[in-house]
Amino acid sequence: GQSLEQPSEVTAVEGAIVQINCTYQTSGFYGLSWYQQHDGGAPTFLSYNALDGLEETGRFSSFLSRSDSYGYLLLQELQMKDSASYFCAVRDQEAGTALIFGKGTTLSVSS
Amino acid sequence: DGGITQSPKYLFRKEGQNVTLSCEQNLNHDAMYWYRQDPGQGLRLIYYSQIVNDFQKGDIAEGYSVSREKKESFPLTVTSAQKNPTAFYLCASSGGPGGTGELFFGEGSRLTVL
Repeated sequence: GQSLEQPSEVTAVEGAIVQINCTYQTSGFYGLSWYQQHDGGAPTFLSYNALDGLEETGRFSSFLSRSDSYGYLLLQELQMKDSASYFCAVRDQEAGTALIFGKGTTLSVSS
Repeated sequence: DGGITQSPKYLFRKEGQNVTLSCEQNLNHDAMYWYRQDPGQGLRLIYYSQIVNDFQKGDIAEGYSVSREKKESFPLTVTSAQKNPTAFYLCASSGGPGGTGELFFGEGSRLTVL
């Protein structure tokens, strides 16, 4: 089976940088995705890493180390609107193109 | 506009009743998925379908059934056998056989059992 671990809560202030870590255990790993979900809304895609290294998209970056079964999402220049839940998700052989999600990290940004 | 439409948005059901949640997409995606989300929890995979007329069980398929007769549609039936059906249900789709880790989600259906 698959399992993912990420912190349940993170707090930060506007303008700060925050890193949300994710460790995973899967068989036949293909890649690691990150999603954002605001209260009551649908999850929206942020990034996908299939290879080791850092992917940057604006204020958000995502990192993957396949050898360590570890990844993180880095959020810079935090804004109040970044307050949301963030989920890491893996794609692996067992579930085809489906993703298996972690339990999520609730980020609270204060002024 | 292209996207995924789920209906109804809110649904109330009495214990012992089956209910069907609709999911339609016009993104021309081959693969579709159903997830369940409970408060403060991640998304758990119920069923997925990578092609018309074929679907596979996810981690929590017991008490649920699906069909995939058309590429655009992937309805989910919550049966009376599902012991704790109150939850937020999310449908998603993705394009291409290889997968990019990107799923497109509908706005969800919130089911409450009275």
